Amino acid sequence: AQKVTQAQTEISVVEKEDVTLDCVYETRDTTYYLFWYKQPPSGELVFLIRRNSFDEQNEISGRYSWNFQKSTSSFNFTITASQVVDSAVYFCALSEARVRNAGGTSYGKLTFGQGTILTVHP
Amino acid sequence: DAGVIQSPRHEVTEMGQEVTLRCKPISGHNSLFWYRQTMMRGLELLIYFNNNVPIDDSGMPEDRFSAKMPNASFSTLKIQPSEPRDSAVYFCASSLARGVRGRSSPLHFGNGTRLTVT
Repeated sequence: AQKVTQAQTEISVVEKEDVTLDCVYETRDTTYYLFWYKQPPSGELVFLIRRNSFDEQNEISGRYSWNFQKSTSSFNFTITASQVVDSAVYFCALSEARVRNAGGTSYGKLTFGQGTILTVHP
Repeated sequence: DAGVIQSPRHEVTEMGQEVTLRCKPISGHNSLFWYRQTMMRGLELLIYFNNNVPIDDSGMPEDRFSAKMPNASFSTLKIQPSEPRDSAVYFCASSLARGVRGRSSPLHFGNGTRLTVT
């Protein structure tokens, strides 16, 4: 069974601080995808990044960076120089790479962690 | 580009009533997912479709819940009869699945329907 654990329930920082959100996953699949989603106070779920299990190269996008460590089954997310607008709930998610379907192969279902509530104070 | 469209945004109903949630996926996407979000259980997958066919409905809580996808551009999630414990935010998401070697798109979520059953 797949499982995603986000041990940090809530994090509170002051603007301009760096913050790292932890994500640890469990899966028996050798091929899988990892995701981060952001849920701002308005409630929508916003896709941030996808990483497949073959690619352990870390990624940076502006103030966001992701550290994928297959050896420790972790996919951590760092926000550099945090801003008030970063305040949101952040979800890590895991997907199996292939399942049966009507037309061939597809993404499996996303299994989400419980989320980390990030509050950035001015 | 229109995203995933869900309606209604908010629904308040009395216990025992039928509730129908609607979803229009992104045009061209071939996979559609229904998720439920509650404080206690977080985000749970209820059911997903590929090419309009239900693939995995193991997350559907009980027989009171049913989902249909009559065509590629529309899906419904129905609860009959509704109960207070069904109160939650229900999300619909869609993606374009191109297979293991293809570059499938990530899931794109709608804004959700907040259901309150009194």
